[in-house]
Amino acid sequence: DTGVSQDPRHKITKRGQNVTFRCDPISEHNRLYWYRQTLGQGPEFLTYFQNEAQLEKSRLLSDRFSAERPKGSFSTLEIQRTEQGDSAMYLCASSYGQGGETQYFGPGTRLLVL
Amino acid sequence: GENVEQHPSTLSVQEGDSAVIKCTYSDSASNYFPWYKQELGKRPQLIIDIRSNVGEKKDQRIAVTLNKTAKHFSLHITETQPEDSAVYFCAAGTGFQKLVFGTGTRLLVSP
Repeated sequence: DTGVSQDPRHKITKRGQNVTFRCDPISEHNRLYWYRQTLGQGPEFLTYFQNEAQLEKSRLLSDRFSAERPKGSFSTLEIQRTEQGDSAMYLCASSYGQGGETQYFGPGTRLLVL
Repeated sequence: GENVEQHPSTLSVQEGDSAVIKCTYSDSASNYFPWYKQELGKRPQLIIDIRSNVGEKKDQRIAVTLNKTAKHFSLHITETQPEDSAVYFCAAGTGFQKLVFGTGTRLLVSP
């Protein structure tokens, strides 16, 4: 499978715990995006990378959220001290920089905070 | 910042009918407008996109139109089939930056 992959697909955690998600973009895609989707809503932008540089972060991204893409390939999204309001689907997407605005989405990680 | 509104929120049609979903955007700098289809529990899949230098684009039963002056764009699906049933999202973006999504339209095609 050469598409965007995400791990884990599902995560259940207790309030206050830290969680980390991983995204592997399509090979050679230099842009990587994180979105959050709650039930009945469209994906909501969180942050994006060009290679290893984090170029934009949403105002929605509190200081409990941090994302990295250390070698310009896979990315991780960490949520510290999770809250029930963090329960959502976390989607990753990637695109190829040269004339390619098309963002290809991964299957998402569904987070449930109890 | 950009704001995208999408209507209707639900749309029920009979198989073979046409379906139209409309979106408006607020930021005149937006120049890329994709449409995604999302089936229950699955990832959003791009079905068609249009750039601001084009007014209309077609791909078999699917077409998208863009009116830059009015800042609105629409998705047209002809000869709908039950497998077209899903949630459809419009989005607006600038270059390779973030996409701002609409709230989605749940399309139900009845046999």
